[in-house]
Amino acid sequence: QVQLQESGPGLVKPSETLSLTCTVSGDFITSYYWTWIRQTPGKGLEWIGYIYYTGNSNYNPSLKSRVTMSTDTSKNQFSLRLTSVTAADTAIYYCAKSVRHGLANDAFDVWGQGTMVTVSS
Amino acid sequence: EIVLTQSPATLSLFPGERATLSCRASQTINIYLAWYQQKPGQAPRLLIYDASNRATDIPDRFSGSGSGTDFTLTISRLEPEDFAVYYCQHRNSWPLTFGGGTTVEIK
Repeated sequence: QVQLQESGPGLVKPSETLSLTCTVSGDFITSYYWTWIRQTPGKGLEWIGYIYYTGNSNYNPSLKSRVTMSTDTSKNQFSLRLTSVTAADTAIYYCAKSVRHGLANDAFDVWGQGTMVTVSS
Repeated sequence: EIVLTQSPATLSLFPGERATLSCRASQTINIYLAWYQQKPGQAPRLLIYDASNRATDIPDRFSGSGSGTDFTLTISRLEPEDFAVYYCQHRNSWPLTFGGGTTVEIK
């Protein structure tokens, strides 16, 4: 059974870079596409983007200029970097797994518990 | 960007009653719609994908239907653990988007 665990700082200063890692257990990171999603009271659930172990990625146009995702197959982890953060980036950040092998645009059947990131000085 | 509109915003029902939740897409999305349940302090849980396919270990009181722009999630008989917020999500095109949610509350 696949499990996901997010990790990273819970507090980031405005204009700095938010960095989160998701550790995958129970399967190889090479098996699926991996996605980051965030949730705020105001905007609800927002798809940030996906990453594949080959480096294939796709990001939400609303965040594309500030987002980078990557994978580390040796650690079975994938990561999110979001630059130049503002208070609007304060959210719960989730990592999630696609339902099906080889499908990037999919539903998500396994989610991490979520990590709250606050942007504040 | 495809906008998903969920209705009603809140559904007040008794346990044992039938719940019918709606999700409408701003353009056709074939059958590429999923439903999630979220309880306070928890991540969303996948219930249905591709409009009508139940996810693993989801009870058969949950069912989904629809295609094109109009979709429905039905909970045939509400159990106490079903009172939660429900979201829809499409996978038809980029960016993937979610609906704003329907809260199913105990009447």
